[in-house]
Amino acid sequence: AQTVTQSQPEMSVQEAETVTLSCTYDTSESDYYLFWYKQPPSRQMILVIRQEAYKQQNATENRFSVNFQKAAKSFSLKISDSQLGDAAMYFCAYRSGETSGSRLTFGEGTQLTVNP
Amino acid sequence: ETGVTQSPTHLIKTRGQQVTLRCSSQSGHNTVSWYQQALGQGPQFIFQYYREEENGRGNFPPRFSGLQFPNYSSELNVNALELDDSALYLCASSLVGYRLTYEQYFGPGTRLTVT
Repeated sequence: AQTVTQSQPEMSVQEAETVTLSCTYDTSESDYYLFWYKQPPSRQMILVIRQEAYKQQNATENRFSVNFQKAAKSFSLKISDSQLGDAAMYFCAYRSGETSGSRLTFGEGTQLTVNP
Repeated sequence: ETGVTQSPTHLIKTRGQQVTLRCSSQSGHNTVSWYQQALGQGPQFIFQYYREEENGRGNFPPRFSGLQFPNYSSELNVNALELDDSALYLCASSLVGYRLTYEQYFGPGTRLTVT
């Protein structure tokens, strides 16, 4: 079974600064996808960024980028130029590419606070 | 394009009762997944429905059951409620095809409190 671990229950960053959230995972599969989701107080889970395991290039979406280290099974999220609206719970998630369907395995989450 | 909707928003039940939660999937999606998110934790996969049939189940007892309808909307039923069932229940829809699985889009969730 796949597992996802987020070792930072809480992180804080000053507005306009950069912060990195950590995530490690364990799997025996070679084909999979990794995601970062954001869950603000409104509770709705929002996809921030995705990474296909077969791609060596790290994914980037505007101010959000990942550092995907496949051999180390590490998948960190970097938020640049942090904004107050980035404050939320962030979840790292894994999805198998080898089985049908789209079951997600989530980590425990990192609560991000952005200080003005 | 209509997003994923869930009803009700909040619900309070008594231990031993039964509850039904509802989810309308996003237009064009054929798969619905249900997750349980206890306070302060990450979501846990309950089960998934694809074309009206269960297509994968997490580590949840049989008193958690579901349905998917021809319009791809879905219900989650929980019988004999226990205090530990208190959680946020998230529904997510996606489009699944042959060797293709597109992203999951989540609804706002239903907060269930069992007293």
